[in-house]
Amino acid sequence: SQQGEEDPQALSIQEGENATMNCSYKTSINNLQWYRQNSGRGLVHLILIRSNEREKHSGRLRVTLDTSKKSSSLLITASRAADTASYFCATRAGGSYIPTFGRGTSLIVHP
Amino acid sequence: GAGVSQSPRYKVAKRGQDVALRCDPISGHVSLFWYQQALGQGPEFLTYFQNEAQLDKSGLPSDRFFAERPEGSVSTLKIQRTQQEDSAVYLCASSSSLLAGVNNEQFFGPGTRLTVL
Repeated sequence: SQQGEEDPQALSIQEGENATMNCSYKTSINNLQWYRQNSGRGLVHLILIRSNEREKHSGRLRVTLDTSKKSSSLLITASRAADTASYFCATRAGGSYIPTFGRGTSLIVHP
Repeated sequence: GAGVSQSPRYKVAKRGQDVALRCDPISGHVSLFWYQQALGQGPEFLTYFQNEAQLDKSGLPSDRFFAERPEGSVSTLKIQRTQQEDSAVYLCASSSSLLAGVNNEQFFGPGTRLTVL
């Protein structure tokens, strides 16, 4: 079973636009992580946000976390064609070390 | 090498064959995870090692799946009598954290794509 669910499933934008994808989860968490997966490759860790944090930035990435709504969003600003990939959120429920991944958002950035 | 490596990258097996998938984690990483990723899905947890100890194998889908990490470094995931539903990408990840990477990132290998005919 997958706790995290990303939305939308697919997103197609033009280079330079911003891309926003959302993740919803079901149980209380220790932290939430976002990963990127390029076609045919493994996952690359992007950013981790802890349950007591509300917002975090890393370069062109901005992640927010709303524990009351059990949701997180990933914003990629000024997107580039190289950002084309699938993006996954992964959560760890309290006391667990097993990360649970969502189904991912497939992002296509057109040059 | 600098990252996690997996071999083979692609494996085609006839139904009923046994397969062995190898993972070389980052040197010194104590935590090692195996995941199964079906097409269009996110990775699903299979099993977790801390050094050579297999602390959790709750995600293994059947007793045909077996994993080992005898010296606390390289790990092998073995699937016996493969079935078509075993077709997926098998990902390995390692972490330096003794807490199984609870607050640390996992470093993923490129995966092995298994196709069972």
